Amino acid sequence: AQTVTQSQPEMSVQEAETVTLSCTYDTSENNYYLFWYKQPPSRQMILVIRQEAYKQQNATENRFSVNFQKAAKSFSLKISDSQLGDTAMYFCAFMGNDNAGNMLTFGGGTRLMVKP
Amino acid sequence: EPEVTQTPSHQVTQMGQEVILRCVPISNHLYFYWYRQILGQKVEFLVSFYNNEISEKSEIFDDQFSVERPDGSNFTLKIRSTKLEDSAMYFCASSEGGRGTHEQYFGPGTRLTVT
Repeated sequence: AQTVTQSQPEMSVQEAETVTLSCTYDTSENNYYLFWYKQPPSRQMILVIRQEAYKQQNATENRFSVNFQKAAKSFSLKISDSQLGDTAMYFCAFMGNDNAGNMLTFGGGTRLMVKP
Repeated sequence: EPEVTQTPSHQVTQMGQEVILRCVPISNHLYFYWYRQILGQKVEFLVSFYNNEISEKSEIFDDQFSVERPDGSNFTLKIRSTKLEDSAMYFCASSEGGRGTHEQYFGPGTRLTVT
């Protein structure tokens, strides 16, 4: 079974600064997908960024980028120029290519507070 | 922008009662999911549903749980006889296609409190 671990329960960052959230995972599969989801205080989870394991290039979406280290099974999220609206829970998630049901396995989450 | 909606936002029920949580997925989506999050714990997968049948289910999804797509728009999760440990936030999600190339869109959740 796959596991996803987020070792930082809480983090804070000053507005306009850069912050990196950590995520490690364990799997025996070679092809899979990794995601970062954001859950603002309103509770609706939103996809931030996605990485396909067969792609070596790190995914980037505007101020959000990932550092994907396949051998180390590490998938960190970097938020540049942090904004107050980035305050949220961030979940790292894994989807294997082998399961038929498109199941997402989530980490425990990191609560990010952006301070003015 | 299309959204997944869920009703009710909060449901309080007594132990042993049946509850039905309702979801309206995004209209052109074909894959549907239920996840739950017990307070302070991880979001956990319950079940996925495609082509009117369950594609995959977790160990949590035992005989007390069932899912249904009763019409062309709703997707429901039924818990037959609720237990205290069923208290959680239940999230519905939908995706246009399968695999990780298709984003799962989440609803705002239903908070279920079993007393």
